[in-house]
Amino acid sequence: DQQVKQNSPSLSVQEGRISILNCDYTNSMFDYFLWYKKYPAEGPTFLISISSIKDKNEDGRFTVFLNKSAKHLSLHIVPSQPGDSAVYFCAAREEGNTPLVFGKGTRLSVIA
Amino acid sequence: EPEVTQTPSHQVTQMGQEVILRCVPISNHLYFYWYRQILGQKVEFLVSFYNNEISEKSEIFDDQFSVERPDGSNFTLKIRSTKLEDSAMYFCASSEAASGAYEQYFGPGTRLTVT
Repeated sequence: DQQVKQNSPSLSVQEGRISILNCDYTNSMFDYFLWYKKYPAEGPTFLISISSIKDKNEDGRFTVFLNKSAKHLSLHIVPSQPGDSAVYFCAAREEGNTPLVFGKGTRLSVIA
Repeated sequence: EPEVTQTPSHQVTQMGQEVILRCVPISNHLYFYWYRQILGQKVEFLVSFYNNEISEKSEIFDDQFSVERPDGSNFTLKIRSTKLEDSAMYFCASSEAASGAYEQYFGPGTRLTVT
């Protein structure tokens, strides 16, 4: 049962352009959403998060948008840089001390 | 910048052997977690730990698994009798608090290979 879905296993983007990574979820009890970036042989690195009461959160080049009615969130990276090349995981959790539920990840390749 | 550390980075063990994976969470964090990622699959929750007891565990976390915080800094995951299917990357994570804007920070992982 995939509660968090990342339907694109990979994405290639030209350096300087916008990268848009998408994530859908099915559990309406999810209260908090996070994006993690993962390089090979490293642990997931927290990138940006958004509470269910907001629809947008911005941090530098990274913006996360949440559409609760569609149960959809997206991560925008602009401008994309070669160092952004990594696997990006969408994760969500319910309120309180609940575990993170991860998507399968999207491998982003930023081409110089 | 404070970070979660894990040792060893790679552990090879024979089926049926016990392994202990070690983690040092970020020092002011109160909540601790273990996740694993089998090759090619998603990151899966194993167990969460707070105030010296398990808060929640998944169905993966059966009687072969146990966690402990033996002192003020370490957080360990023990697998009593490893199986081939336990081969995975094991990630420790910690957070300041359980809810609100408190993200979980992950360690670099321990690659466990069961032969």
